[in-house]
Amino acid sequence: GDSVTQMEGPVTLSEEAFLTINCTYTATGYPSLFWYVQYPGEGLQLLLKATKADDKGSNKGFEATYRKETTSFHLEKGSVQVSDSAVYFCALVDPGYSTLTFGKGTMLLVSP
Amino acid sequence: DTEVTQTPKHLVMGMTNKKSLKCEQHMGHRAMYWYKQKAKKPPELMFVYSYEKLSINESVPSRFSPECPNSSLLNLHLHALQPEDSALYLCASSQGGREKLFFGSGTQLSVL
Repeated sequence: GDSVTQMEGPVTLSEEAFLTINCTYTATGYPSLFWYVQYPGEGLQLLLKATKADDKGSNKGFEATYRKETTSFHLEKGSVQVSDSAVYFCALVDPGYSTLTFGKGTMLLVSP
Repeated sequence: DTEVTQTPKHLVMGMTNKKSLKCEQHMGHRAMYWYKQKAKKPPELMFVYSYEKLSINESVPSRFSPECPNSSLLNLHLHALQPEDSALYLCASSQGGREKLFFGSGTQLSVL
């Protein structure tokens, strides 16, 4: 079945540091890939998405590129802020099932 | 309107109570979902409705009973819950297929 593997957290960074959160996937079809963010006490918000190989999703300074050859969708940001502290979930939708498969989530903690 | 609205935001109930969680969206989405999320875990799929019909039930205990009265509304009826059912319950909607899910902010449920 489909699965998503994310790096273990928490990831602890100082403000303005570079961020990478690794995500790899296995899927039977050609999935769409997503990053969702969850701030404390809230639901999930879509951060960015990519629907086909080599697509780059971007939003709020975050980027991720759909790499079919390495089955990866790593999240990056050049300069993190304290307000980016949250849990980040990598996820995929297999077109055959129309449901999200989530990774376990990576907590990001950014200190001033 | 790109929101999924969930009520109530918080709910405390005893094991003998009957309560309902409500979810509403006005984006014309054809698929609606219930997820359960325990602390520090990813959301787990419970139910999927497609065109107002239940299409996926992930072996959820019968003390959880979903209902989709129309294309904009989704309910989750709760009866005789256990303390281990305490969690954040998230509703989501999408156009289906490989499209992104929009999540509500959730209902934080505590079962005493």
